[in-house]
Amino acid sequence: LAKTTQPISMDSYEGQEVNITCSHNNIATNDYITWYQQFPSQGPRFIIQGYKTKVTNEVASLFIPADRKSSTLSLPRVSLSDTAVYYCLVGSYNYQLIWGAGTKLIIKP
Amino acid sequence: DSGVTQTPKHLITATGQRVTLRCSPRSGDLSVYWYQQSLDQGLQFLIQYYNGEERAKGNILERFSAQQFPDLHSELNLSSLELGDSALYFCASSVQGSTDTQYFGPGTRLTVL
Repeated sequence: LAKTTQPISMDSYEGQEVNITCSHNNIATNDYITWYQQFPSQGPRFIIQGYKTKVTNEVASLFIPADRKSSTLSLPRVSLSDTAVYYCLVGSYNYQLIWGAGTKLIIKP
Repeated sequence: DSGVTQTPKHLITATGQRVTLRCSPRSGDLSVYWYQQSLDQGLQFLIQYYNGEERAKGNILERFSAQQFPDLHSELNLSSLELGDSALYFCASSVQGSTDTQYFGPGTRLTVL
């Protein structure tokens, strides 16, 4: 069963690129990796999902190496409003859901 | 607005009581998930239903139970409540299974006094 590990917290500054890495050593062949953002007292919100290599959308990029044992969420040019908790999730077709404990990202001016 | 609705928004009750939380998924979504989030803690997955059938169980206590009805709405029942059950309870829905994007509701804040 995949277990996900991510840093508890990170700091950065406005305008910087932020990379948050999640480790999932026991990821299975059919598992997908998804990242969510959560603001205080709100439900998490989908950011990006990937299976392998690189995926990019209008808000983030997701890098997954060939062995898929980790994934890196990249947020370009962050702003104060990106201060939030970021979760990685490994989900599989056999209905397993393995959530990371979340990374609290604080963006400073 | 994710399209997932949860009622009530807030619930205050006493230890030993029983409450029911309700969730309506997005139109067309067949899977419903329940999560518990205690203050400043991460998400704890409780249970998943797909088209009325239980599909996956997480760290759900025996005092808690859930079901998904034919119209796909779901209810989470919490009984013999304890102080430690105070938390935000989120419902999420997805089109089908665990590899699909989950859309989260606004949550129900439960306070047990």
